[in-house]
Amino acid sequence: QLQLQESGPGLVRPSETLSLTCTVSGASISGTSYYWGWIRQPPGKGLEWIANIFYSGTTYYNPSLKSRVTISVDTSKNQFSLKVTSMTAADTGVYYCARLNWNDAYWGQGTLVTVSS
Amino acid sequence: EIVMTQSPATLSVSPGEGATLSCRASQSVSGNLVWYQQKPGQAPRLLIYGASTRATDIPARFSGSGSGTEFTLTITSLKSEDCAVYYCQQYNTWPLLTFGGGTKLEIK
Repeated sequence: QLQLQESGPGLVRPSETLSLTCTVSGASISGTSYYWGWIRQPPGKGLEWIANIFYSGTTYYNPSLKSRVTISVDTSKNQFSLKVTSMTAADTGVYYCARLNWNDAYWGQGTLVTVSS
Repeated sequence: EIVMTQSPATLSVSPGEGATLSCRASQSVSGNLVWYQQKPGQAPRLLIYGASTRATDIPARFSGSGSGTEFTLTITSLKSEDCAVYYCQQYNTWPLLTFGGGTKLEIK
């Protein structure tokens, strides 16, 4: 059974960079035709897709976040990661890693990131 | 960028009744739409893909319809466990994705 688990700091200071990692178990990131991605959800608000990455390293970003976001993959560790620069209070929320395909979806449990000094 | 608009924002329905949730795309997404259910503190759960196909283990009370720019999620015989926020998401621009703002379904 495919499982995804987010890890990273729960608290980030304003203007700093957030770094999150998603560890995948139950399947290999390499050599499959799936995209691996990040979605976030501010408290009490809706879902916002952030970015997707293919195992080869090809990336796709939400245009509204593209200037501040980097997604990367480490196939040797079966992990993929997200960096968000210049964090502000508006970036506070639950960050999910996921494999969203057209006919199935696997999500991590989500990790709460709070931006505060 | 395709914008997904869901309505109503909140829907309150009695147990046993039916609910109709709407999702509109700013441009055609063909049938490339999914519906998710999200309960408090949980990750979203896939309900419908391809606009009308139920995902694995989803009860027949849930059905989806529509194509192009207008989509509907219909839930019949509502149960208290259906209390959740429902999101549509288009994948016509795969692998770039867009979610709707969500409809909160309350059970009276």
